[in-house]
Amino acid sequence: GENVEQHPSTLSVQEGDSAVIKCTYSDSASNYFPWYKQELGKRPQLIIDIRSNVGEKKDQRIAVTLNKTAKHFSLHITETQPEDSAVYFCAAGPNTGNQFYFGTGTSLTVIP
Amino acid sequence: DVKVTQSSRYLVKRTGEKVFLECVQDMDHENMFWYRQDPGLGLRLIYFSYDVKMKEKGDIPEGYSVSREKKERFSLILESASTNQTSMYLCASSSEALHFGNGTRLTVT
Repeated sequence: GENVEQHPSTLSVQEGDSAVIKCTYSDSASNYFPWYKQELGKRPQLIIDIRSNVGEKKDQRIAVTLNKTAKHFSLHITETQPEDSAVYFCAAGPNTGNQFYFGTGTSLTVIP
Repeated sequence: DVKVTQSSRYLVKRTGEKVFLECVQDMDHENMFWYRQDPGLGLRLIYFSYDVKMKEKGDIPEGYSVSREKKERFSLILESASTNQTSMYLCASSSEALHFGNGTRLTVT
């Protein structure tokens, strides 16, 4: 099955700086890569996703890049704000709607 | 907006009890999932279902079973609860991306 690795496990940045979270996957059949944000005590929520026919996708301060050859994808958050503090999970799956394999999460702290 | 509702937010059970965790979604999604979330381990898939009365094992099915008698409802069953099943349980449904419920924090004593 798929194996998703995520780094770093914890990340602290100053407000206004950028944050980067990296994930690798093992199954070349995976072609859908969502990212979830989980605030303390709340459910994980989708923040951005990318499909394998796209190399990069951006939504305001959040961007995701995908390198299918190297089997890795990354989340980039620019101009970080305290409300970006949360746990972020990457995931990989063969198609949208199907079972997803999750990374172990990155706890991001944005220091005001 | 998709709503996935888990019947209990917190649950305390004794070792050996049979435990039912209920999940209902209101978006007519075909796919439903049960995940377990533990610190440092991320979200691990227990069981999933692509249709009524259909179920597939995920990565950690041991000690669990599921039931999907109706499209909107997906139940997770712990046949004989053990202390190592103390965890946060998350239900999700999907058409494309996963939509999660609020989770059930289960403590087995």
